[in-house]
Amino acid sequence: GDSVTQMEGPVTLSEEACLTINCTYTATGYPSLFWYVQYPGEGLQLLLKATKADDKGSNKGFEATYRKETTSFHLEKGSVQVSDSAVYFCALSEDKAAGNKLTFGGGTRVLVKP
Amino acid sequence: DSGVTQTPKHLITATGQRVTLRCSPRSGDLSVYWYQQSLDQGLQFLIQYYNGEERAKGNILERFSAQQFPDLHSELNLSSLELGDSALYFCASSVASGQAIEQYFGPGTRLTVT
Repeated sequence: GDSVTQMEGPVTLSEEACLTINCTYTATGYPSLFWYVQYPGEGLQLLLKATKADDKGSNKGFEATYRKETTSFHLEKGSVQVSDSAVYFCALSEDKAAGNKLTFGGGTRVLVKP
Repeated sequence: DSGVTQTPKHLITATGQRVTLRCSPRSGDLSVYWYQQSLDQGLQFLIQYYNGEERAKGNILERFSAQQFPDLHSELNLSSLELGDSALYFCASSVASGQAIEQYFGPGTRLTVT
């Protein structure tokens, strides 16, 4: 079945450092890929998405490129802020007769220190 | 604010009891999804409804059931509760059903079974 693997955290960074969170997936077809962010005590917010190979999703300084050849969707940000401290989830969705559920990775906790 | 509302925010109950979680999707959204977030299982898809009909089922226990009403709100019923059912339950909604369609998450209901 479908699965998503992302690097385990926590990842601790200083402000203005570069962030990369690795995400790889296994899917039977050609899924859409998403990054969601969960701030403390809140629900999940969609950060960015990509729906086909070589698409680049971007939002709030974050970006991720859909790499079909390596089945990856790594999240990157060039200069993080304290406000980026959160848990980040990589997810995929495939449109099947059985619906289009999101399959999530385990989440990566990021802590940015001033 | 995603526009998805969930009530109650917190729920504390005893083993063997039954509870109902409620979700109101974003205005205009036809599809509702339920997910469970726990420390040991991560984020798991439970069930999806589309315009009142069940669309997909995931790792949902037989003790759990859900429905979507004509006004499109949804309820998740959990019965014969066990300690292991303690988790954060998220509802999400989307305008349609499809793999590229973004899902918007509510703030969640935190269930504690004692």
